[in-house]
Amino acid sequence: EADIYQTPRYLVIGTGKKITLECSQTMGHDKMYWYQQDPGMELHLIHYSYGVNSTEKGDLSSESTVSRIRTEHFPLTLESARPSHTSQYLCASSDYRGGTNTGELFFGEGSRLTVL
Amino acid sequence: LAKTTQPISMDSYEGQEVNITCSHNNIATNDYITWYQQFPSQGPRFIIQGYKTKVTNEVASLFIPADRKSSTLSLPRVSLSDTAVYYCLVGLGTGRRALTFGSGTRLQVQP
Repeated sequence: EADIYQTPRYLVIGTGKKITLECSQTMGHDKMYWYQQDPGMELHLIHYSYGVNSTEKGDLSSESTVSRIRTEHFPLTLESARPSHTSQYLCASSDYRGGTNTGELFFGEGSRLTVL
Repeated sequence: LAKTTQPISMDSYEGQEVNITCSHNNIATNDYITWYQQFPSQGPRFIIQGYKTKVTNEVASLFIPADRKSSTLSLPRVSLSDTAVYYCLVGLGTGRRALTFGSGTRLQVQP
């Protein structure tokens, strides 16, 4: 059973508000990811991290920012939310150390953001 | 990063075997092939992973030819609950390589 948690699950806010989506994992994984997915569409990687103090932008340009101060925590922040940010945001983690480890991605249940 | 190509959608009936093929022509020597399943409003979940030949677990089989430029996920005797989107992923996220999903295959199982 995956131990990766996202909060809030659902958030409805007004334009211009600052929001932070939380993601925490208790598996000690080094690698963490944020994906953005609109209903019925594919997942787009927007941020990833290979460890503490490491963050990179993904394939899809995003106005959001992330931080990785602790291994288990990878929050995503939008300084000023807009309707175009309405989407589902999925956090994932993985750990690959070779051998029989599959490097499997473990996903949280997602945070569905609606910006009015 | 290896790009993957899958059919956009497939239809099947309960009890049938379903085979979904993924093309990955520029797969790297160290890349593994992993398949994920995603239900609406949930994150994807791991189904199966392989490097070459055939891998089987309790839910699926994965066939990989010798040239590794494609792979086929086989779901035996599907049920309505197998209706989902299936993604093929190539790579392992080792080193500094990120994991990017393709468009996926939307499988619809009919009664």
